[in-house]
Amino acid sequence: AQSVTQLDSQVPVFEEAPVELRCNYSSSVSVYLFWYVQYPNQGLQLLLKYLSGSTLVESINGFEAEFNKSQTSFHLRKPSVHISDTAEYFCAVSDTGGYQKVTFGTGTKLQVIP
Amino acid sequence: GAVVSQHPSRVICKSGTSVKIECRSLDFQATTMFWYRQFPKKSLMLMATSNEGSKATYEQGVEKDKFLINHASLTLSTLTVTSAHPEDSSFYICSARDGTAFNYGYTFGSGTRLTVV
Repeated sequence: AQSVTQLDSQVPVFEEAPVELRCNYSSSVSVYLFWYVQYPNQGLQLLLKYLSGSTLVESINGFEAEFNKSQTSFHLRKPSVHISDTAEYFCAVSDTGGYQKVTFGTGTKLQVIP
Repeated sequence: GAVVSQHPSRVICKSGTSVKIECRSLDFQATTMFWYRQFPKKSLMLMATSNEGSKATYEQGVEKDKFLINHASLTLSTLTVTSAHPEDSSFYICSARDGTAFNYGYTFGSGTRLTVV
C-alpha cells in the first residue's frame, strides 16, 4: 500500500514569485509519481509524471518536479507563478504493477496574489 | 490526447431516487476505469475499480449495493447511486486508463456534482 502526504493545505504566493508545493510518499514497492491540477468544479488534469529515467520532469506550462528516492519526495516547483496558476494541486502515487491504483494526497491549494 | 467525457456535470435529485453517471472514453479503449468521490477540501477517495466485462472491485467501506458500477464496454462505465440520500451529495469523478498504450497518466473526467435534497 502507498500513501501520499501533502503537508501544506494552502500556499499563498505573490504573482511572479517562485513556489514549491511539497509532496512526500510512502511505499514498499517501486512507484510512479504524478502531479494533477484541479480548477474549481472541474476534474483533474495531469500536470506531469515520473515513470522512470531522469528524475527531473517538466510540464509545458513551466512547472517541474524532482523525484528524490532517498527522501521519498516529489516536490513541485515553478520559478514564477501567474494568476492563472491558482488551483488545487494533487500529488499522487501508483505502484508499477497490477491495476496500478492511484493514491492521492489531500491536495494543496495554490493561491496566487496579484 | 486521450479524452474522457463524464455526464452529467451537475445533477440535483430528490432523496430516495437513483442517479446514473456516465463516463466515456472518447478516443481510446479503457480496459480499466476508476470511480472517485471527492469531499469538500478533501482528497479524492477511490470508490471502486471496474474492468470491462467483469465485476467492479470496491474499496473497503464502499457499499456495493448503493453504488452500482457497470463497465459493459471498452468505452463506457456507469455509476448509479441508488436510493440517494443527502449524505451522498458529493463530487464524483471517473478516471480511465488506456489499456493499449504505455500511458500511466490516467485521464480524468470533468466530474459530476451530485446534490441530494
